Amino acid sequence: KNQVEQSPQSLIILEGKNCTLQCNYTVSPFSNLRWYKQDTGRGPVSLTIMTFSENTKSNGRYTATLDADTKQSSLHITASQLSDSASYICVVWLTGGFKTIFGAGTRLFVKA
Amino acid sequence: GAVVSQHPSWVICKSGTSVKIECRSLDFQATTMFWYRQFPKKSLMLMATSNEGSKATYEQGVEKDKFLINHASLTLSTLTVTSAHPEDSSFYICSAEQLAGETQYFGPGTRLLVL
Repeated sequence: KNQVEQSPQSLIILEGKNCTLQCNYTVSPFSNLRWYKQDTGRGPVSLTIMTFSENTKSNGRYTATLDADTKQSSLHITASQLSDSASYICVVWLTGGFKTIFGAGTRLFVKA
Repeated sequence: GAVVSQHPSWVICKSGTSVKIECRSLDFQATTMFWYRQFPKKSLMLMATSNEGSKATYEQGVEKDKFLINHASLTLSTLTVTSAHPEDSSFYICSAEQLAGETQYFGPGTRLLVL
């Protein structure tokens, strides 16, 4: 069964601290993995896209990693800011069409 | 970056009425558009995928006669919730993709409340 599981479900950190969000997937055939940031009441915004051959990709303070062997991905946020408070969603795309599997998301709260 | 807009952003309607939501790609031509719904504190659920000029492909469990999708042009797709009921109240989000496998740009969402 194709699944994407994210952990933790929610996370509270202090401003300026780093954090890492996890995404484990059992999806086949794998095409690419995407991380999105979704502010409350807004549409998701793409952070990174990684294909099978890519191990890491950065976008400012966001760094995503992908281990295709263990089917795990992580999103590392450096020097968190209050504006980082949002839901972070891991999405895996399958090949052969537009099929996507969404994770439930991790809700991040950054406190001053 | 590419911009996708949705209109309206908020809609409140009576049970039994139909509601149309527009999704536009403002600065690029979208070969494919996607429609999602999202319940509070839940992740997005894909409802359907549409390509310009062809019929939408609906996900299992999504009623095509209930949620009418028209992808009239490369920059516009509409979702019509027909005979809306309170259980249709949700956050509806569209996204657009210029090329297959490229970045998917999401609209800001439309919050529907059916009374």
